[in-house]
Amino acid sequence: GVTQSPTHLIKTRGQQVTLRCSSQSGHNTVSWYQQALGQGPQFIFQYYREEENGRGNFPPRFSGLQFPNDSSELNVNALELDDSALYLCASSQGGHALSSTRVRGYTFGSGTRLTVV
Amino acid sequence: GENVEQHPSTLSVQEGDSAVIKCTYSDSASNYFPWYKQELGKRPQLIIDIRSNVGEKKDQRIAVTLNKTAKHFSLHITETQPEDSAVYFCAAVGNEKLTFGTGTRLTIIP
Repeated sequence: GVTQSPTHLIKTRGQQVTLRCSSQSGHNTVSWYQQALGQGPQFIFQYYREEENGRGNFPPRFSGLQFPNDSSELNVNALELDDSALYLCASSQGGHALSSTRVRGYTFGSGTRLTVV
Repeated sequence: GENVEQHPSTLSVQEGDSAVIKCTYSDSASNYFPWYKQELGKRPQLIIDIRSNVGEKKDQRIAVTLNKTAKHFSLHITETQPEDSAVYFCAAVGNEKLTFGTGTRLTIIP
């Protein structure tokens, strides 16, 4: 399955954080979501073949990487209190990961809960 | 971009009764509509989905309907059980993005 690390993290406002995601075997696309308490997941961005190929309404201080083994990192600079949330990654196949025939393979990790104080 | 609205935000039903959750979407290009169940502290789990060329789909106690003209889709759970208690999210896929609704907290009353 999809694994994320760490499971919990506490950071101070202004700091930087790196979250990690290992995709499911055979999946070459990774998407990241932010889920604030009591809300639905919000799309941050998606990576395919080590390049970002889709982005939601998040500022540039949210950045990412995808590695040759298809694992991924989410980096957030200059943390703000509102960045406190559950961060989910999801892996899938195909790059055009949201094409209708492939989305069924969309698998979420268990998330990293980030608390900014 | 796509906007998905979901109602109600909370829903309590007696065990054995049916539950219905409704969603609307804005982007007529959206062509795939999954539903996720999220238990407290856990990841979202896909429970059922429907594609734009189908009007209804059923999987045991769970069914989903889609009205493309009206841009709305609904989740129906029959014969509810205590383990159905969770937060349910609808979602729509369009423009290469998966957009979630705001969630419905379903509570099954024994």
